[in-house]
Amino acid sequence: GAGVSQSPSNKVTEKGKDVELRCDPISGHTALYWYRQSLGQGLEFLIYFQGNSAPDKSGLPSDRFSAERTGGSVSTLTIQRTQQEDSAVYLCASSPPQSTFGSGTRLTVV
Amino acid sequence: GIQVEQSPPDLILQEGANSTLRCNFSDSVNNLQWFHQNPWGQLINLFYIPSGTKQNGRLSATTVATERYSLLYISSSQTTDSGVYFCAVSGGDYKLSFGAGTTVTVRA
Repeated sequence: GAGVSQSPSNKVTEKGKDVELRCDPISGHTALYWYRQSLGQGLEFLIYFQGNSAPDKSGLPSDRFSAERTGGSVSTLTIQRTQQEDSAVYLCASSPPQSTFGSGTRLTVV
Repeated sequence: GIQVEQSPPDLILQEGANSTLRCNFSDSVNNLQWFHQNPWGQLINLFYIPSGTKQNGRLSATTVATERYSLLYISSSQTTDSGVYFCAVSGGDYKLSFGAGTTVTVRA
């Protein structure tokens, strides 16, 4: 596609439920990033995929968070047993080398 | 990881004014980008500029990699320039690290 597409745009979930967030990167982009932005804050790095290399998971805040990228394209970020502190906007970007961001998924855990 | 410091944290401008935003970073970089986050939260890539100078309309940017800083210039500011400006860098690991941002408010 022409840009990075993320779905859903908004997600409200109950504490303890699992959620899946999806990112469709720009076709042909080998690098894909997930970031998290809490209200009024900067961007927190979560995970980075580059081609067929092992992902850099160093930013994942706990083992409740996981991500995969299938076929070097679509990526899914999964949060298990959601907590209220997981509420944030989750942003996906693809590159190289200039990064293009999607519109994000606003996650609210109630 | 590479540390990124942006200044000033907040900037209030009268429409038509010029301004300079600064980004300092702690180590050598192979990637430096400037982004604008509009009031609706969308991040727009302004420049990919690991070194040198680029211009795009009323915006321009300069990165002096040897001295570990980059500058973003906004000329003849407009209300639509309001938002948060982020600098992001990466080194050998290609992981983009973001600064805390500069919040720009342009008043009519």
